[in-house]
Amino acid sequence: SQQGEEDPQALSIQEGENATMNCSYKTSINNLQWYRQNSGRGLVHLILIRSNEREKHSGRLRVTLDTSKKSSSLLITASRAADTASYFCATAPDDYKLSFGAGTTVTVRA
Amino acid sequence: GAVVSQHPSRVICKSGTSVKIECRSLDFQATTMFWYRQFPKQSLMLMATSNEGSKATYEQGVEKDKFLINHASLTLSTLTVTSAHPEDSSFYICSARFASGQETQYFGPGTRLLVL
Repeated sequence: SQQGEEDPQALSIQEGENATMNCSYKTSINNLQWYRQNSGRGLVHLILIRSNEREKHSGRLRVTLDTSKKSSSLLITASRAADTASYFCATAPDDYKLSFGAGTTVTVRA
Repeated sequence: GAVVSQHPSRVICKSGTSVKIECRSLDFQATTMFWYRQFPKQSLMLMATSNEGSKATYEQGVEKDKFLINHASLTLSTLTVTSAHPEDSSFYICSARFASGQETQYFGPGTRLLVL
């Protein structure tokens, strides 16, 4: 069953602006991962943050994790048209299975 | 590295036929592969976990006789949709994991199945 819920469902921004999306989950986790999916394609792994980490950076991506609130956020800075995609958070509770959220569709306007 | 391929990328078939989808890890050995299903504008739902040399573990609600999974080698897993019906039309995505304990999954590009 789905554990993560993303917010907002859709986001439209101008190129150069920042995009922030949030993910909430229900049970305890070992780690939380963010993936990107371009339309009709597979998923690309973006970043993994462990339960004992609070913040992680990778290029223009910044991920935070608040285990007390069971939530995570993904920030994309200085967005580009190529960032247009759906973004999913996925949680891994005790085992290796990933449970995906519903996703946030991001549209970056040129 | 860590490339996963799927074949075919899209398939159209008649109702009642069976369709086989292949998932290959091209540059690594995958002890575990996963099969997901994604309906339009929805998230990925895990269908089954496939371990090399053993029977697949199916998620609740997924018919194992309908969706046959074979993981005969460390680089290949196949999903066969038997007697496909229009409601089986979906986007099927596989992923692979390096070795036990590896947290990251590497996803294939997906297979679009349309059953007429």
